[in-house]
Amino acid sequence: GQNIDQPTEMTATEGAIVQINCTYQTSGFNGLFWYQQHAGEAPTFLSYNVLDGLEEKGRFSSFLSRSKGYSYLLLKELQMKDSASYLCAVRHDRGSTLGRLYFGRGTQLTVWP
Amino acid sequence: DTEVTQTPKHLVMGMTNKKSLKCEQHMGHRAMYWYKQKAKKPPELMFVYSYEKLSINESVPSRFSPECPNSSLLNLHLHALQPEDSALYLCASSPHRGAQETQYFGPGTRLLVL
Repeated sequence: GQNIDQPTEMTATEGAIVQINCTYQTSGFNGLFWYQQHAGEAPTFLSYNVLDGLEEKGRFSSFLSRSKGYSYLLLKELQMKDSASYLCAVRHDRGSTLGRLYFGRGTQLTVWP
Repeated sequence: DTEVTQTPKHLVMGMTNKKSLKCEQHMGHRAMYWYKQKAKKPPELMFVYSYEKLSINESVPSRFSPECPNSSLLNLHLHALQPEDSALYLCASSPHRGAQETQYFGPGTRLLVL
């Protein structure tokens, strides 16, 4: 089975840096995704990691350690519009569930002025 | 262009109605997905189509009937739904089912079953 864990809620202030952690236990790992979802809207793709290390995209960075089953999403220079749910999702790579995404529960981030 | 479109945006239906949700993409993607999402929960996979063939059905009740008429379109036919089926229904697509590629989500259809 798949076991993906991330904090339920986090808060931070404008201009700050926040790190959202995600741990996973899965057989057949084939990549980890981070999505942002504003209330009532569809998830928007933020980042993808399949190899160990850091991927940077502007204010957002994502890190992966496959040996530790651990990822984080780093958001810098926080803005009010970053208040959203952040979903960690692991992709499966084998058999009948090839390509399937398993989502964590999401971390609701609130950015205060 | 990474756009997946869904219609309608909102749908209210009674338990005896028959309705359909539509999803369309013109990115040449050959894998398409239906997800169901309840408030404050992550998306739950319902169905996966790969090259217009159903490849995953996550034990979804038969009152939900998917259809993939061609590589750009994905429908979800609804019949005799229950109030607990009220949710946001998301469509997604990716180039293929297996490779290291991103799934792109449509804006969703918010369904209310009365």
